[in-house]
Amino acid sequence: EADIYQTPRYLVIGTGKKITLECSQTMGHDKMYWYQQDPGMELHLIHYSYGVNSTEKGDLSSESTVSRIRTEHFPLTLESARPSHTSQYLCASSESQGFRRTEAFFGQGTRLTVV
Amino acid sequence: AQSVTQLGSHVSVSEGALVLLRCNYSSSVPPYLFWYVQYPNQGLQLLLKYTTGATLVKGINGFEAEFKKSETSFHLTKPSAHMSDAAEYFCAVSDLRAGGTSYGKLTFGQGTILTVHP
Repeated sequence: EADIYQTPRYLVIGTGKKITLECSQTMGHDKMYWYQQDPGMELHLIHYSYGVNSTEKGDLSSESTVSRIRTEHFPLTLESARPSHTSQYLCASSESQGFRRTEAFFGQGTRLTVV
Repeated sequence: AQSVTQLGSHVSVSEGALVLLRCNYSSSVPPYLFWYVQYPNQGLQLLLKYTTGATLVKGINGFEAEFKKSETSFHLTKPSAHMSDAAEYFCAVSDLRAGGTSYGKLTFGQGTILTVHP
């Protein structure tokens, strides 16, 4: 059973508010990811990290920011939420050391609605 | 660049019928391929994966997929559909560069919603 947790599961917030979506994993995985999923659409990578103090932007441009101060924690922040940020955000983690490689394990997601 | 195409955004089958969900990929290096399932308001759960070795891979819940390099395909099948199989299914390819290194980033297909009728 994968141990990756996202909070909150659902969030409705007003325009202009600052929000942080939490993601934690207890598997000691070095790599973590944030994907954005609009209804009925595929997932797009918006951020990833391959270790502490390393973060990179993904394939889909996003106004959000991330940090990786601890291995287990990878929060995503929106400084000023807008209705265009309404989406589902999925956090994932995986491990790779040399040729040892695991699949990505996903959290249950945060469904964000900005009104 | 890698890409994944899932043919058919919606597939409908009767309970007990064969399930076939199609996935084609594009990759410049030997790919790592995955099928994930997503139930409503849930995250993604891994069904099965192909990395190296045997091209027919078996996963959870009776699903299996066959990697066909010549056809660049990785179709998902299940001999007999069950009502509980109704969900959205995503095919994905992992970034993999020459030498076997990877950031583990996934490129997903558009998803296929499977409906199972009684």
